[in-house]
Amino acid sequence: GAGVSQSPRYKVAKRGQDVALRCDPISGHVSLFWYQQALGQGPEFLTYFQNEAQLDKSGLPSDRFFAERPEGSVSTLKIQRTQQEDSAVYLCASSTGHGNPEAFFGQGTRLTVV
Amino acid sequence: AQSVTQPDIHITVSEGASLELRCNYSYGATPYLFWYVQSPGQGLQLLLKYFSGDTLVQGIKGFEAEFKRSQSSFNLRKPSVHWSDAAEYFCAVGAWRQGAQKLVFGQGTRLTINP
Repeated sequence: GAGVSQSPRYKVAKRGQDVALRCDPISGHVSLFWYQQALGQGPEFLTYFQNEAQLDKSGLPSDRFFAERPEGSVSTLKIQRTQQEDSAVYLCASSTGHGNPEAFFGQGTRLTVV
Repeated sequence: AQSVTQPDIHITVSEGASLELRCNYSYGATPYLFWYVQSPGQGLQLLLKYFSGDTLVQGIKGFEAEFKRSQSSFNLRKPSVHWSDAAEYFCAVGAWRQGAQKLVFGQGTRLTINP
């Protein structure tokens, strides 16, 4: 596609519910990143994929957070047993990889846990 | 560890006035530096980037930034702001890890434009 696409744009979840956030990167982009942006803060790194391999998950805040990219294209970020502190905007970004650090961001998914 | 500091949380300028947003970074090697802009409810749009070479870089929407290694700074400037420039601005440094560059962001500076 023309840009990085994320769905849904908004998600309201009851505390304890599981959620799944989807990211469609730019076609052909090797690298895919997830960031979490709390209200009034800058984005913070969660995890990184190169093709289907998850090479870095050091930013995932707990084992309730899980990300996958099984075919090296679309990625899903899953949060189990959501808690109020999970409320944030989740941003996906992709880049061509191959040493090119320029990343293109989607519009994000705003998750509100009530 | 890499870090980015944006000292100004909120700046207000009048339309047509000049603008400078400050950014200081901490990184052990030659940094890759970025400025992004975020409008309400939107994702991040890249304004400009510095990888190497000329330390004064030009970006979109009339923005420019200057890399000063001695001051560990990468300040964003615009000679004359427009009402449409009102947004949140983020400075970021690229940190190589596991073969990719994750971005480390500052907390952002919210820009308000007075008519």
